[in-house]
Amino acid sequence: AQSVTQLDSQVPVFEEAPVELRCNYSSSVSVYLFWYVQYPNQGLQLLLKYLSGSTLVKGINGFEAEFNKSQTSFHLRKPSVHISDTAEYFCAVSSNTGNQFYFGTGTSLTVIP
Amino acid sequence: EAGVAQSPRYKIIEKRQSVAFWCNPISGHATLYWYQQILGQGPKLLIQFQNNGVVDDSQLPKDRFSAERLKGVDSTLKIQPAKLEDSAVYLCASSLGWGGSPLHFGNGTRLTVT
Repeated sequence: AQSVTQLDSQVPVFEEAPVELRCNYSSSVSVYLFWYVQYPNQGLQLLLKYLSGSTLVKGINGFEAEFNKSQTSFHLRKPSVHISDTAEYFCAVSSNTGNQFYFGTGTSLTVIP
Repeated sequence: EAGVAQSPRYKIIEKRQSVAFWCNPISGHATLYWYQQILGQGPKLLIQFQNNGVVDDSQLPKDRFSAERLKGVDSTLKIQPAKLEDSAVYLCASSLGWGGSPLHFGNGTRLTVT
């Protein structure tokens, strides 16, 4: 079975500052990794995904994430945040055997003007 | 492409009443999921369908929750009778079904049980 841990439940950051949202996973098999964003009263929207290949993946809205197999991490980063980035961010993992997804508990990012 | 459609967006019921949610996935998506998202938590899988067969319903409270996927397309999730702790957002998602294909979510149904 797979599991995901998001280490920070809330992250406040000033506008135009960099941010990192941390995600660690555990799995006994090869996995695919995803970051989703959820704005108030909306469903989850895919930010980026890691399937294979380059460990640095780029997504929408200027976000990127780096897959680190040895540390079983998939941290999300953005060099300069905007007010519009205020949202809930979820890390998710799926295995290559059943397309079942497991989500972390989420990190609430608040961008301060 | 049209996204995942869910209805209703909001529902308020009293405990012990019944309620049903509807989901229409993206055309061609073989896999459909129902998630429960309690305020402040991540989505929790209730049931996963592959076409019209159930892949995983291990976390579905079967004494009160039921779900079906009609002809491998639309799906309904029912709660009968509802409890106060069922207050949550119910999210439907779909995917192509192959390993690594991402989930596409609807906007969810916010259920309040009073």
